[in-house]
Amino acid sequence: AQTVTQSQPEMSVQEAETVTLSCTYDTSESNYYLFWYKQPPSRQMILVIRQEAYKQQNATENRFSVNFQKAAKSFSLKISDSQLGDTAMYFCAFMKQGSQGNLIFGKGTKLSVKP
Amino acid sequence: GAVVSQHPSWVICKSGTSVKIECRSLDFQATTMFWYRQFPKQSLMLMATSNEGSKATYEQGVEKDKFLINHASLTLSTLTVTSAHPEDSSFYICSARSLGNSNQPQHFGDGTRLSIL
Repeated sequence: AQTVTQSQPEMSVQEAETVTLSCTYDTSESNYYLFWYKQPPSRQMILVIRQEAYKQQNATENRFSVNFQKAAKSFSLKISDSQLGDTAMYFCAFMKQGSQGNLIFGKGTKLSVKP
Repeated sequence: GAVVSQHPSWVICKSGTSVKIECRSLDFQATTMFWYRQFPKQSLMLMATSNEGSKATYEQGVEKDKFLINHASLTLSTLTVTSAHPEDSSFYICSARSLGNSNQPQHFGDGTRLSIL
């Protein structure tokens, strides 16, 4: 069975600075996808970034980038130039390739961006 | 595109009432829909996976008779909380998987806050 671990329940960062959220996972699968979701106070789930396991290049989306270390089973999210609107819960998620789309979520990290 | 509408967004009702929550994919067909429950400050807990035209697959520990799921069409799934009690109060989120190619594994609804008095 796959597991996803987020070891930081809460983090804070000053506006305009950079923060990194940690995520590790455990799987015996070779082909899979990894995701970071953001859940702001409105509680809507928003996909931030995705990474295919077969790709060595780290995914980037504007101010968001990941550090994907397949051998170490690590998938951290870096947020650059943090903005107040980045304040949210962030969930790391795993999906096995070929599945129905079942996502396995970590417990989440609450990020607070301070002015 | 790929919008999932969940209704109602908030419901308050008396203990013993049954409550139905709808999840609709507005601009795509969804063979698979998922229902989650989320307690305050916790992660999403998958309750069940439903495929159009077949019975839902429930996760271990989720009562099938308490949480009735119907996925009658490619655009609609419903979750009915039967004889709801205060312990059923929670935030319920649905999501849908698109038939076509999508870079998102699931498209999420905005959730339903259920409060049982």
